[in-house]
Amino acid sequence: GENVEQHPSTLSVQEGDSAVIKCTYSDSASNYFPWYKQELGKGPQLIIDIRSNVGEKKDQRIAVTLNKTAKHFSLHITETQPEDSAVYFCAALNRDDKIIFGKGTRLHILP
Amino acid sequence: EAQVTQNPRYLITVTGKKLTVTCSQNMNHEYMSWYRQDPGLGLRQIYYSMNVEVTDKGDVPEGYKVSRKEKRNFPLILESPSPNQTSLYFCASSFTTTGGEGTQYFGPGTRLLVL
Repeated sequence: GENVEQHPSTLSVQEGDSAVIKCTYSDSASNYFPWYKQELGKGPQLIIDIRSNVGEKKDQRIAVTLNKTAKHFSLHITETQPEDSAVYFCAALNRDDKIIFGKGTRLHILP
Repeated sequence: EAQVTQNPRYLITVTGKKLTVTCSQNMNHEYMSWYRQDPGLGLRQIYYSMNVEVTDKGDVPEGYKVSRKEKRNFPLILESPSPNQTSLYFCASSFTTTGGEGTQYFGPGTRLLVL
């Protein structure tokens, strides 16, 4: 069935460095790709999203890129800070209007 | 403040004892959904509702019931909980279905332990 693969499952980066999380999706009709951040003890919160008619979107230190041909999209966090430590989920909206989530990436920012 | 609330936040129960987890949103959202989150499995949808009195199964509906009698409330019911329902549960809501305008807002989660 339709699924979203997310890698890596765990990522450790030095504070100030960049972090990249990658996702692939299987439904070629998917046209909306949100990213969620889940901090400890809280529910997921939308941090950025991208639609299929653009290839890149940026919001301060966070950017998302989309390659529709290859069916993959990525989250880029630059100049990482301790508060970026969290679990990040990618997701894709499939042809049935259903959001399919990746399994999550636990990001550790090392001091 | 716009929010999704869930109660209780933590619950320990025993096998077979019926329980209800409440969910309420104050954003006049039509779409509401329940997820469970388990290590290594991410977020899996249990049930969803597109409007009052309209509910449908998600990916893992077995052992759960829901109701949508009012727009703001979407309780999750476990008629006879079992240990494999031990999990972290999230309620979410959005204006529309999870279409392009349907950013989902998540509640804070309910951690359930079934002994």
